[in-house]
Amino acid sequence: EAGVTQFPSHSVIEKGQTVTLRCDPISGHDNLYWYRRVMGKEIKFLLHFVKESKQDESGMPNNRFLAERTGGTYSTLKVQPAELEDSGVYFCASSLIYEQYFGPGTRLTVT
Amino acid sequence: QQPVQSPQAVILREGEDAVINCSSSKALYSVHWYRQKHGEAPVFLMILLKGGEQKGHDKISASFNEKKQQSSLYLTASQLSYSGTYFCGTQGTSGSRLTFGEGTQLTVNP
Repeated sequence: EAGVTQFPSHSVIEKGQTVTLRCDPISGHDNLYWYRRVMGKEIKFLLHFVKESKQDESGMPNNRFLAERTGGTYSTLKVQPAELEDSGVYFCASSLIYEQYFGPGTRLTVT
Repeated sequence: QQPVQSPQAVILREGEDAVINCSSSKALYSVHWYRQKHGEAPVFLMILLKGGEQKGHDKISASFNEKKQQSSLYLTASQLSYSGTYFCGTQGTSGSRLTFGEGTQLTVNP
């Protein structure tokens, strides 16, 4: 069974540009989560989808971040416009019931 | 509220034991343990769902004291492959977000 996949693995963009991150969860997992780890600090929650619905988006930093989950399958996280403080590693995780399985992350660098 | 992990870092020789603690100020539904190696995905180790529950596989086990809102991860007879950063993630309710501690960096030397 394939694990959680994320694309791209790395992205370097300039301040003010737009970047879209993609996450493909484990097949059949209705729950999809986005997390972010900044500057070696703890992993912080961004939002949670159940199928295509946003269950909890209280961790989204501001309205420059937009997450979607089309048809309850893959999800995208768009940052527009990107700021320097958005740099970090963005993780996606999916779960069936309890265990959350993480993808390898997208390392975003905003210069 | 973020759980507190201790110690922040530990260095072991192969074959030694270690304990990593995770404490929360809030009531918990579950505790999840992960290990992350540099540049890789956090790898799920185990989940503890009930107060007083203990789990383990191979030489890694964990306990969860619901009343004290604490969990501990036990690594016995450590191997080189155990090196990495260990995170505890806590949940207040089933299926909800994980709130992570800052991690414990474990280094196992030959």
